[in-house]
Amino acid sequence: GNSVTQMEGPVTLSEEAFLTINCTYTATGYPSLFWYVQYPGEGLQLLLKATKADDKGSNKGFEATYRKETTSFHLEKGSVQVSDSAVYFCALSPSGGNNRLAFGKGNQVVVIP
Amino acid sequence: KAGVTQTPRYLIKTRGQQVTLSCSPISGHRSVSWYQQTPGQGLQFLFEYFSETQRNKGNFPGRFSGRQFSNSRSEMNVSTLELGDSALYLCASSLDGAANTEAFFGQGTRLTVV
Repeated sequence: GNSVTQMEGPVTLSEEAFLTINCTYTATGYPSLFWYVQYPGEGLQLLLKATKADDKGSNKGFEATYRKETTSFHLEKGSVQVSDSAVYFCALSPSGGNNRLAFGKGNQVVVIP
Repeated sequence: KAGVTQTPRYLIKTRGQQVTLSCSPISGHRSVSWYQQTPGQGLQFLFEYFSETQRNKGNFPGRFSGRQFSNSRSEMNVSTLELGDSALYLCASSLDGAANTEAFFGQGTRLTVV
């Protein structure tokens, strides 16, 4: 089946540190891959996406590259801010669209001033 | 433009009751998807409606059902509520669910079953 695995546990780091959140997936066919962010008390917001192998999604300083050979879509940001504190979800759509999303468990990111 | 609106925001129900949640998509959007978010299972896909038809379905029991109206507004219904149905229910709307469009999420309805 289709599934997404994110690294376990919250991530705590200092302001201006480098952030990496690992995401690997299992899927048949050619899924689209997404990163969503959820701020407290809010719904999910699309952060970035990639629809085919080797595509790089980027937004607000965050980047992720669709790696078919390693079935990964790791999220990175070079210098985090306190305002980046949120929960980050990796997701895939097996049909390639933006519906029927399969999500990872999410990672709480806490940025300390 | 107005975002995705879910009502009510909070709901408390008793075991065995039924509940109906509502989702108003962004104007012009025809695809509405529903998700259940719990601490244990995370975010799980329930179903997707497109042009009043259920187009995709997740692995949930038949107690979970939905529908979509001609104005694209969608409702989901849960019958014979169980304690384990306590969750945040999110809906997402998009133009047509295609990869080149974006899905926008509502703030969710927090359902507590007691």
